[in-house]
Amino acid sequence: NAGVTQTPKFQVLKTGQSMTLQCAQDMNHNSMYWYRQDPGMGLRLIYYSASEGTTDKGEVPNGYNVSRLNKREFSLRLESAAPSQTSVYFCASSEHTEAFFGQGTRLTVV
Amino acid sequence: KNEVEQSPQNLTAQEGEFITINCSYSVGISALHWLQQHPGGGIVSLFMLSSGKKKHGRLIATINIQEKHSSLHITASHPRDSAVYICAVPGYGGSQGNLIFGKGTKLSVKP
Repeated sequence: NAGVTQTPKFQVLKTGQSMTLQCAQDMNHNSMYWYRQDPGMGLRLIYYSASEGTTDKGEVPNGYNVSRLNKREFSLRLESAAPSQTSVYFCASSEHTEAFFGQGTRLTVV
Repeated sequence: KNEVEQSPQNLTAQEGEFITINCSYSVGISALHWLQQHPGGGIVSLFMLSSGKKKHGRLIATINIQEKHSSLHITASHPRDSAVYICAVPGYGGSQGNLIFGKGTKLSVKP
């Protein structure tokens, strides 16, 4: 049972490049989330999806788009990366109880 | 928006010591989460509690809903307990996954 799987684990982008962070869960959870973690800030919610086919903005959505492809997968896209998007990104899923987190993606935008 | 405050920010202890980490929040909640983040970066859920106390091994979490306060205790601390401990409460829409996080308490346990 893999839980929540994120790819890639590390990525370096140049300013203006685009990329998609992938997330998949095998726990049949309805709800999935994308967070970013910055030093001194704690984790902050970027986007979430309460169920397949729905997505909603969180606290810091600017510069990101998401797709809930199916119940298992929830991707995060940076259309034009900026240095301010340098961060560690976590995907999570939950179903009424505790949240389960992926291992994180460390993204650096230069 | 709920505000989550943790204390202390950093904590150094000797192996075997009893440790307490505190969390307070500003708006009433249905449940509170304690999470652990190891130096490698992965985040693991330790507890989700809505009242009273929960215990798992050497970890004990308590919550006082009226005072909007929770504590995480570690008994007989060990170097492998060194990690960042994060308190979180439901935020957007009240879902248990839409969380608002504290900034974390970095614990270092020395042998």
